[in-house]
Amino acid sequence: AQKVTQAQTEISVVEKEDVTLDCVYETRDTTYYLFWYKQPPSGELVFLIRRNSFDEQNEISGRYSWNFQKSTSSFNFTITASQVVDSAVYFCALREGIYNQGGKLIFGQGTELSVKP
Amino acid sequence: DVKVTQSSRYLVKRTGEKVFLECVQDMDHENMFWYRQDPGLGLRLIYFSYDVKMKEKGDIPEGYSVSREKKERFSLILESASTNQTSMYLCASSAYNEQFFGPGTRLTVL
Repeated sequence: AQKVTQAQTEISVVEKEDVTLDCVYETRDTTYYLFWYKQPPSGELVFLIRRNSFDEQNEISGRYSWNFQKSTSSFNFTITASQVVDSAVYFCALREGIYNQGGKLIFGQGTELSVKP
Repeated sequence: DVKVTQSSRYLVKRTGEKVFLECVQDMDHENMFWYRQDPGLGLRLIYFSYDVKMKEKGDIPEGYSVSREKKERFSLILESASTNQTSMYLCASSAYNEQFFGPGTRLTVL
């Protein structure tokens, strides 16, 4: 069965520290998408990145980077030189069967990141 | 930019009341979703719709119904609200892959 696990419930770091948020997924499909979302205190989930199962290249966007490893079924998210504005809940999500109707996502439990000044 | 709006940010209702949560998107997306978010449980899918008048049950549909009469609007209905439905409700829409979310409605049932 499909499942997304974010084992870290809460992480607290001091500003400028690097932090990695873990995401492990389970799926029977060979084709799927993985996502990361950010939920700041305002409540609205913000899309950060999408990765398809055929593309294992790591991606970097400013201070954010993502490491996708099919061998370990992991899609980890690293924030370099964290800032207070990075404080939020971060969700990892999985979409199986990229041709299925509706585009259902399976979400992890979320990791609450607190960056202290 | 995709815009998903929800009718209320905060709502307080009494047990047994009928509750309507409205969601509107302005990007002509086919798919729309309703989730509830509870601490430690992440986002759980209640219902989704992939076309007008079409609906599919998610993981936790009990106690809820939905309506999609127009493409841009997806309503979540609590026929008889109960205290265990106190939660944050999030609406989302998508064209194909990534979903775009509204600001959420924090519902309290007393």
